[in-house]
Amino acid sequence: DAGVIQSPRHEVTEMGQEVTLRCKPISGHDYLFWYRQTMMRGLELLIYFNNNVPIDDSGMPEDRFSAKMPNASFSTLKIQPSEPRDSAVYFCASSLVQLRGSVGYTFGSGTRLTVV
Amino acid sequence: AQKITQTQPGMFVQEKEAVTLDCTYDTSDQSYGLFWYKQPSSGEMIFLIYQGSYDEQNATEGRYSLNFQKARKSANLVISASQLGDSAMYFCAMRVMTTDSWGKLQFGAGTQVVVTP
Repeated sequence: DAGVIQSPRHEVTEMGQEVTLRCKPISGHDYLFWYRQTMMRGLELLIYFNNNVPIDDSGMPEDRFSAKMPNASFSTLKIQPSEPRDSAVYFCASSLVQLRGSVGYTFGSGTRLTVV
Repeated sequence: AQKITQTQPGMFVQEKEAVTLDCTYDTSDQSYGLFWYKQPSSGEMIFLIYQGSYDEQNATEGRYSLNFQKARKSANLVISASQLGDSAMYFCAMRVMTTDSWGKLQFGAGTQVVVTP
């Protein structure tokens, strides 16, 4: 099992540019999450999907952020236009939620985004 | 609203000693799960241990154990026989199983642990 795969690992972009972060969840997992981690705000849940359907996007900071999951094996998080305050580590995680017990939430290695 | 609180921003512990990391949570739901994750300086999030709200036994995974006190709403992580490689940020997290937030995982602020020789 390759785990949750995120790309790119690092992204440096100029303010105003579009940024697209990518995630491939673990095969068979039915939940996918996008988190953002900063020193000031810790780990914030941005959006999560169940069976490719967005369930809760209340954590998406503003309309500049959008996320899609066109199929069970791929998701994107897009920021357009990017701003310096978007600089953070963005994690994707997937999970197979069970009624009792849990296999845990598996995180990708993260994408470190720097907007200059 | 659900909330996870980790009151210890940082801790030093000597190698081979045990350390307890505090975590309290707030939820009115009956069905929930508690998780601990480790984040070393390399940045990845590593799942350590899980406790379900209906589990009667405290969870254990190797040197990690979870001291679950349901009435007090606490889920402290105990690391026994600390090793230098245990130096990392540790996060407590909660999943509440309601129709509104099924599967949603909420994190505390984290505790930075430094293990000294």
